[in-house]
Amino acid sequence: GAVVSQHPSWVICKSGTSVKIECRSLDFQATTMFWYRQFPKQSLMLMATSNEGSKATYEQGVEKDKFLINHASLTLSTLTVTSAHPEDSSFYICSATFLDSGTYNEQFFGPGTRLTVL
Amino acid sequence: AQSVTQLGSHVSVSEGALVLLRCNYSSSVPPYLFWYVQYPNQGLQLLLKYTSAATLVKGINGFEAEFKKSETSFHLTKPSAHMSDAAEYFCAVSSGGYQKVTFGTGTKLQVIP
Repeated sequence: GAVVSQHPSWVICKSGTSVKIECRSLDFQATTMFWYRQFPKQSLMLMATSNEGSKATYEQGVEKDKFLINHASLTLSTLTVTSAHPEDSSFYICSATFLDSGTYNEQFFGPGTRLTVL
Repeated sequence: AQSVTQLGSHVSVSEGALVLLRCNYSSSVPPYLFWYVQYPNQGLQLLLKYTSAATLVKGINGFEAEFKKSETSFHLTKPSAHMSDAAEYFCAVSSGGYQKVTFGTGTKLQVIP
């Protein structure tokens, strides 16, 4: 149980275009979803936290107009990289947590999406 | 505030040898601690977690970690390394509930045949 999927697994796009990445919780309702960015050989950096039906909370330094997050349902969150540039190339990972997680914040991670901007 | 420090960005061990990956944490409240493993171009898989119950936590694939409050440590160990253990390992800390998880910088484990 607690499976999270991402689509696409990899995407190549031209500079200036927008790219949408989907994150789905397959067998549970995710009250909260997180979006991370991971540069090569580095750790995960939290970009934003999204709760179903409300605006995402962005971490300091993350441009909310560039990285649009929508959490329209309890099983789907999307990250749209608008007007992508080569410096946006990275590995994007989402995670999700749900009401029955108890007192600890166990997050279930998706497999990641590799974005390459040419 | 919370943070995690992983000592050693790269660790090499021989197959069959003890694996020890170090993690020290800082947290203003009782922490929840995690170890994740990441294989190339994949997401994170939870190895084990400490949630204020037993201080010695056993996880998957033969890994275990011990929470030592006096040392603010949560080191990951495995008695005998296997080739399939070669991966990146991340220690993480959270203050619980829906608070965000903070990850360490990761330790890449190399297993030498």
